[in-house]
Amino acid sequence: GDSVTQMEGPVTLSEEAFLTINCTYTATGYPSLFWYVQYPGEGLQLLLKATKADDKESNKGFEATYRKETTSFHLEKGSVQVSDSAVYFCALSDRSGTGNQFYFGTGTSLTVIP
Amino acid sequence: DGGITQSPKYLFRKEGQNVTLSCEQNLNHDAMYWYRQDPGQGLRLIYYSQIVNDFQKGDIAEGYSVSREKKESFPLTVTSAQKNPTAFYLCASTGQGSVNQPQHFGDGTRLSIL
Repeated sequence: GDSVTQMEGPVTLSEEAFLTINCTYTATGYPSLFWYVQYPGEGLQLLLKATKADDKESNKGFEATYRKETTSFHLEKGSVQVSDSAVYFCALSDRSGTGNQFYFGTGTSLTVIP
Repeated sequence: DGGITQSPKYLFRKEGQNVTLSCEQNLNHDAMYWYRQDPGQGLRLIYYSQIVNDFQKGDIAEGYSVSREKKESFPLTVTSAQKNPTAFYLCASTGQGSVNQPQHFGDGTRLSIL
């Protein structure tokens, strides 16, 4: 079956440090891939979406590339800020029967210290 | 603006009591989902519905029930059979069709035991 494996946390970085959160997946079909961010006490917000191989997506300084050959969708940011402190979830959507199924990683908690 | 509204934000349950969490969306989405999130944990799927008047059990459906009488609404009842209901509950929705469509999340309901 489909699954998502992401780097376990927690991750603590100093402000302006480089961030990488690894995410790999297994899928029976041709999935779409997502990164979500969750701030304390809130729901998940979509951060990035990629729908085909080699798609490189960026938003708010975060980037991720859909790599089919390595089944990965790693999240990167060149210079993190305190406001980036949150939990990050990698996810995939794959076709199943008459609908779409979603699979989430376990989340990676990021704390950025000044 | 379109979105998902969950209410209440905080809910307390007494022993032996059933409680119902509300989830309403005005995104015209066909599919809706309920997840449970425990502290420091990822998301676990409770129930999902791909169309009105139809729903499916997720990974942890025991002790929960749902209904889908209207496209906009997908309430979750936490029954007295759920012995450990304290958690953060998230409702999500997505349009059907392409796997490109991400899930949209509400802001969650935090349920605690009195």
